[in-house]
Amino acid sequence: KNQVEQSPQSLIILEGKNCTLQCNYTVSPFSNLRWYKQDTGRGPVSLTIMTFSENTKSNGRYTATLDADTKQSSLHITASQLSDSASYICVGDGGSQGNLIFGKGTKLSVKP
Amino acid sequence: DSGVTQTPKHLITATGQRVTLRCSPRSGDLSVYWYQQSLDQGLQFLIQYYNGEERAKGNILERFSAQQFPDLHSELNLSSLELGDSALYFCASSVGFGGGAPWTQYFGPGTRLLVL
Repeated sequence: KNQVEQSPQSLIILEGKNCTLQCNYTVSPFSNLRWYKQDTGRGPVSLTIMTFSENTKSNGRYTATLDADTKQSSLHITASQLSDSASYICVGDGGSQGNLIFGKGTKLSVKP
Repeated sequence: DSGVTQTPKHLITATGQRVTLRCSPRSGDLSVYWYQQSLDQGLQFLIQYYNGEERAKGNILERFSAQQFPDLHSELNLSSLELGDSALYFCASSVGFGGGAPWTQYFGPGTRLLVL
């Protein structure tokens, strides 16, 4: 069964600190792995997309890694800011089926 | 602002009723996706259209249907509504789809549906 599991469910960190969010996926066939940021009540915003042949991709202070062998991905946030408070969603893309398998997200709170 | 528009922003209706949600994709995007986000379920893929044709189907109930029109806007029709249909409904668009290419999906602001 296709699924994406994320950990932790929620995380509280102090402003300026780094953090790493985890994602384990079982998606077959597998095309690419996506990370989205979703502010409460708003639509998700794409942070990174990695194909199975890529193992790292950065977008500003966000760096995603992918290990296609272990089917694990992580999202590292550097020097967190209050505006980073949001849910971060990991998504496995099945490719030609055109659909995406969403994780339930990690809710990050950055405190001053 | 993603460039994807959705109307209405909020919708309150009663059980058994039918509603239509509307989505206009970003200029130049041919693919439209519909998602449902419930409090305890996370985002669920419902259905995808590309240039007017249905291309992929997710966990979409038979009471729900969608279409994409020649001007590329899309509508999601929800009928015989139940309390459990209360959720945020998102539309997203991308230039293309499938083929293993990492098409970026741009999400609209969503329509919040409350069924009483």
